[in-house]
Amino acid sequence: GAVVSQHPSRVICKSGTSVKIECRSLDFQATTMFWYRQFPKQSLMLMATSNEGSKATYEQGVEKDKFLINHASLTLSTLTVTSAHPEDSSFYICSARDPNSILGNTIYFGEGSWLTVV
Amino acid sequence: GQNIDQPTEMTATEGAIVQINCTYQTSGFNGLFWYQQHAGEAPTFLSYNVLDGLEEKGRFSSFLSRSKGYSYLLLKELQMKDSASYLCAVRDENDKIIFGKGTRLHILP
Repeated sequence: GAVVSQHPSRVICKSGTSVKIECRSLDFQATTMFWYRQFPKQSLMLMATSNEGSKATYEQGVEKDKFLINHASLTLSTLTVTSAHPEDSSFYICSARDPNSILGNTIYFGEGSWLTVV
Repeated sequence: GQNIDQPTEMTATEGAIVQINCTYQTSGFNGLFWYQQHAGEAPTFLSYNVLDGLEEKGRFSSFLSRSKGYSYLLLKELQMKDSASYLCAVRDENDKIIFGKGTRLHILP
């Protein structure tokens, strides 16, 4: 079964509103989570690194005030797309690092969230 | 900078073998992943190479040469369900996973 869960899997929101996507590690405590965005027919682009208890580290070109990331607990990171616009419509996916995994620092992906802004 | 290259598209025949190559130049190296992604779905893990050499897992094998910055994914006995995008990704020194653009593999009957 899934070890990283994302919710919602699909969401439609109106332009100008905000939407929150949750990423949960189910069987382990994740000190670090990563958020990616994937536009149609393109690869996954890293948006930011989410560290528990501290501010997220954003990749170049990603607006931190638009994509708010909160990693308040060791099992939950949230991505909030603020004032969403149609161009923000994309597939958002998170991953989480399990520091205690057998392989050592194995990274698991969530199922992804489809965001459509209308 | 970070650079991961893989072919954009490949076509192969059902039952055949196909090799998808990936070259990379990244700041540090902590392993290389291969993921399979069907359209509209999340990527699924295929393999993870940290040391040089070939790792075989059923019909799929992955090879790594760290000195050459090179990896390949080998798919044997191709099935129609193998039609998908295959993503090469490198874990850099900061644990970030940087993805290549992916290779769309088309399987012909």
